[in-house]
Amino acid sequence: GAGVSQTPSNKVTEKGKYVELRCDPISGHTALYWYRQSLGQGPEFLIYFQGTGAADDSGLPNDRFFAVRPEGSVSTLKIQRTERGDSAVYLCASSLTGSGGGADTQYFGPGTRLTVL
Amino acid sequence: AQSVTQLDSQVPVFEEAPVELRCNYSSSVSVYLFWYVQYPNQGLQLLLKYLSGSTLVKGINGFEAEFNKSQTSFHLRKPSVHISDTAEYFCAVSDLSGANNLFFGTGTRLTVIP
Repeated sequence: GAGVSQTPSNKVTEKGKYVELRCDPISGHTALYWYRQSLGQGPEFLIYFQGTGAADDSGLPNDRFFAVRPEGSVSTLKIQRTERGDSAVYLCASSLTGSGGGADTQYFGPGTRLTVL
Repeated sequence: AQSVTQLDSQVPVFEEAPVELRCNYSSSVSVYLFWYVQYPNQGLQLLLKYLSGSTLVKGINGFEAEFNKSQTSFHLRKPSVHISDTAEYFCAVSDLSGANNLFFGTGTRLTVIP
């Protein structure tokens, strides 16, 4: 079946602009996660959704970052007033239930590479 | 809080040779442990995970890992590597307190030399 998809695959923007990154999870998965992977680093957690609600947004670096999942399926990560330090690969993952303290396998999308000039 | 240390950023190994990729973790609570692989231009793929039970875990593509609680380690091994194993490997943990996010190490780039 179809895996997690993310669009766009690449996004180049200018400092100060607004961007939206989209994630389509695996059908039927109630849990959705966003991570950010900077060059030479492992993915870092940003936010976790259970259904439509953000169950844990402790990883969002500041109030320029915001994410929504209005119908419990597709999610959009929104970044306002982008800065050069926001350049990274943004990864989305989904899991079937999100229960079990992380035991539920997370399936990752290919990521969106964001470059802020 | 949890942290993961992958001591080797790069590991070159000849084809058909054995390999071990090291992972150590730090946590104040019990954890689940994972190894993910990232092939070029692809998403992270789960290799194996340790939740409970036997400390030796077998995964896909002939990989296995052993959980050692006293040494807080979860090293990944393969007895004979192939060219197709060239990729980035990430160790990750999640804690049992209820948080669902994964904490990743910085990754180890495995390069298999023909």
